[in-house]
Parts: sequence; C-alpha cells; structure tokens
Amino acid sequence: SQKIEQNSEALNIQEGKTATLTCNYTNYSPAYLQWYRQDPGRGPVFLLLIRENEKEKRKERLKVTFDTTLKQSLFHITASQPADSATYLCALDPRGNNRLAFGKGNQVVVIP
Amino acid sequence: DGGITQSPKYLFRKEGQNVTLSCEQNLNHDAMYWYRQDPGQGLRLIYYSQIVNDFQKGDIAEGYSVSREKKESFPLTVTSAQKNPTAFYLCASSRDRGPEAFFGQGTRLTVV
Repeated sequence: SQKIEQNSEALNIQEGKTATLTCNYTNYSPAYLQWYRQDPGRGPVFLLLIRENEKEKRKERLKVTFDTTLKQSLFHITASQPADSATYLCALDPRGNNRLAFGKGNQVVVIP
Repeated sequence: DGGITQSPKYLFRKEGQNVTLSCEQNLNHDAMYWYRQDPGQGLRLIYYSQIVNDFQKGDIAEGYSVSREKKESFPLTVTSAQKNPTAFYLCASSRDRGPEAFFGQGTRLTVV
C-alpha cells in the first residue's frame, strides 16, 4: 500500500540550531514533493516544492532535499527561532493530477 | 486580498442533521478540494473539483456531498450518513495543474 511517513514524535530543539525533519514514502513515484507549515487551528501554508530532478531547494532559512532512490525528503530549518514552532507536513501528488496526499506531520518546538 | 474563506470557523451539529460548510475563493483557481483532518492524522481528501459543474470523490467521500455551481464556491454538506463527522475540515484551491495548494482557515465541526 502507499504510505507517507513522518516522525510522530515532536522535535524539541534549541533556538539557533538546525531542525531536520524526514519524510519517507513507499509505493509512489512522485514528480514532486511539497512541504507545508501548519499552526494549531489553522490551515496549512505552502513552503517549498522540490521536483524529482532537483536534489536540493532553498528558501531563506529553509532547505529541502529529495532522494528518489531512497524515497525520502529531508526538510531543514537553519538558525531555528521560536516562531518556527509548528507542525510541518510533507505532501506529494501520487497520480500527477493535483490530488495531494499528506503525511501526518511532524511537530517542531523551538526552545528559547 | 486574495484568498480562501471558510465559514463558519466553529460549527455544532446535532446527530441526524445535515450541515453545510462554506468555502469561497477569489484566487481565480480552477481546482478546489475538501480535506478532513483528525487529531494525529494526516489530511484526507473528501472531494475535489477541477472545473465548474464537475467533481470527483476522494478517499473518504461516504457521507459527504458537494456542488460546484460557481468557480468561486465549493460548499461541502456533511450528511447524517457520515458516522463520525466531528473533525477539522479544510478547503483548498490550486491553479489548474497547480501544484501549490492554498488552504482556508478551516471549520471545526462538532457533533453534540
């Protein structure tokens, strides 16, 4: 069966350090993978998209890598700040028709 | 400002009642989606529409119905046939062949 797996345990990290989240998927061959941020009681907000032919993508303090051989994406927040505390969701489009499938999300808590 | 508006933010329903959740967008997006989110769960697709007067079932469509009479609007009706309707409902839209999804702020539905 198709699965998108993110770590269910919250990541607690000291301010200023780099937070790294993992998204693993099975039985998919996505053309791209997306990352979203979700705050409690709010809708997700798009952060980054990385295509299958891209190894790495950056946006300000965010970096995403995509390894289609390992079927894994890593999401990094460098120089983390308390305002980065949120749940981060990975999503992919298994059929290439904009029907996104989401992981359960991984909570990040940045400790001042 | 462009965006997606969901209303109401909180909704209470008695068992056996139908209830309709509103979703309006002014982004001129062709595609619209409804997702359901339960605690500790990923977003699950209920229905989606890629064009006016056309919509398709997602992964968990049973007990739900939708309409797409206007490009801007995609209301979701939770019927009495939905056995466990208490959840956080999210509406999203994207350009045709997106792939980035824009989400509303969600409606929290509680059955009392």
